[in-house]
Order: sequence, then structure tokens, then C-alpha cells
Amino acid sequence: EAGVVQSPRYKIIEKKQPVVFWCNPISGHNTLYWYLQNLGQGPELLIRYENEEAVDDSQLPKDRFSAERLKGVDSTLKIQPAELGDSAVYLCASSQGQPNSPLHFGNGTRLTVT
Amino acid sequence: GQQLNQSPQSMFIQEGEDVSMNCTSSSIFNTWLWYKQDPGEGPVLLIALYKAGELTSNGRLTAQFGITRKDSFLNISASIPSDVGIYFCAGYTGANSKLTFGKGITLSVRP
Repeated sequence: EAGVVQSPRYKIIEKKQPVVFWCNPISGHNTLYWYLQNLGQGPELLIRYENEEAVDDSQLPKDRFSAERLKGVDSTLKIQPAELGDSAVYLCASSQGQPNSPLHFGNGTRLTVT
Repeated sequence: GQQLNQSPQSMFIQEGEDVSMNCTSSSIFNTWLWYKQDPGEGPVLLIALYKAGELTSNGRLTAQFGITRKDSFLNISASIPSDVGIYFCAGYTGANSKLTFGKGITLSVRP
């Protein structure tokens, strides 16, 4: 089965510019996650979707971050405007949706804000 | 909070040696997951544990769900160079809880 696909792999932008990340989850996985990973740290949850519904966005900085999963499959994560501290790896993951299911991760987008 | 503690931050071993890593918390978990992350890639699931006391193997890897439900262990036997990477423990505290990750242990294997 194809894994979680993310694009782009790398993105370099200047501060105050917008940036959008895209994720295609594993087919049949109705739960999708966006995680933030800083250097030397484990992934931290930004938002979780069950189909089209964002069921946990408590950790998403809503003043500058937004996410969509309009048809319950692909998802986008947008930062506008980006700040220097947003430089990190943004990981997308999906799972089958049963409680306590393992997550399957994409390879992430490494964002550098200059 | 639901923090997972992994230490030391880095481990250095000789090829062929066994290595053990542990993950501890002050909270009770009902699922433990172990992931490996290579540079430039996302974490890859190694082993999942769902019951206290459970011992599960995946090739040269063996992991255990601690009896207290507050810890888990990962053992790698007969290490090889491709075992190099960052090993994360992660866990769920309940049916509707979010997956919490430790900070990871970076493993280096000397040939």
C-alpha cells in the first residue's frame, strides 16, 4: 500500500510570507494528523481530523495557522504569515481511526523561514 | 502533563552489541508504540504494545509493556549499522487521548 505522501519536501521562505503544505493519507485512513517536529524533539500534535471534521485543534496557533480537509481525504496546512520560529519539520500522519491506532507518517516538509 | 521520558539523549554502541532503551512516565498508558526515524524521513512504526506485561518481537527488536503501565522497554540485539537513527517511544493514555511522544534517543553504531 502507498504510504502517506507529503509535498513539498523542502520549503524556504522569507518571514511574513505564506506557505502551504499538502498531505495525501493512506487510502482508507479516515483520521489525519498534522504534527510539528522541532530539532531534537519528538513530534507534537497540531490538529487531528476525523474525516472532514477537525476534532482536536487545541494546539494549533489559530492566529497564523489554518488547515483544511474539505473532502475527507487530502489535507493542507497553511501558515500566514510565517515567522522565524516556524522553522521546523511539519509531519502528516494517518490512521485507521480505531482508538489507540498506530500512526503512519509521511516524510515531512522541512520549512526554513529566513 | 502526559510526558514521556527517554534518556540518555544519545547512545553509542559497537556493531554486534545489544542495546536497551526505556521510556518512563508518571502517567498510566494503555498503548505503547516505538518508532524509528532516519534523517530526512518520518517516524516509522517498529512495535505496538497494547497490554500490560506484553512482550513483542519484530526481528532483532523486542519491546515490553511495563507491568505498572508507566514504562516500556525496547531492546535491539546484535546491532548493525542500519540501526542508526532516532528511536521514539509514544503512547496513549486512554481511548480518546492524543498520541504523546518522547524526545527520542539517537543511536549511533560504530562498525
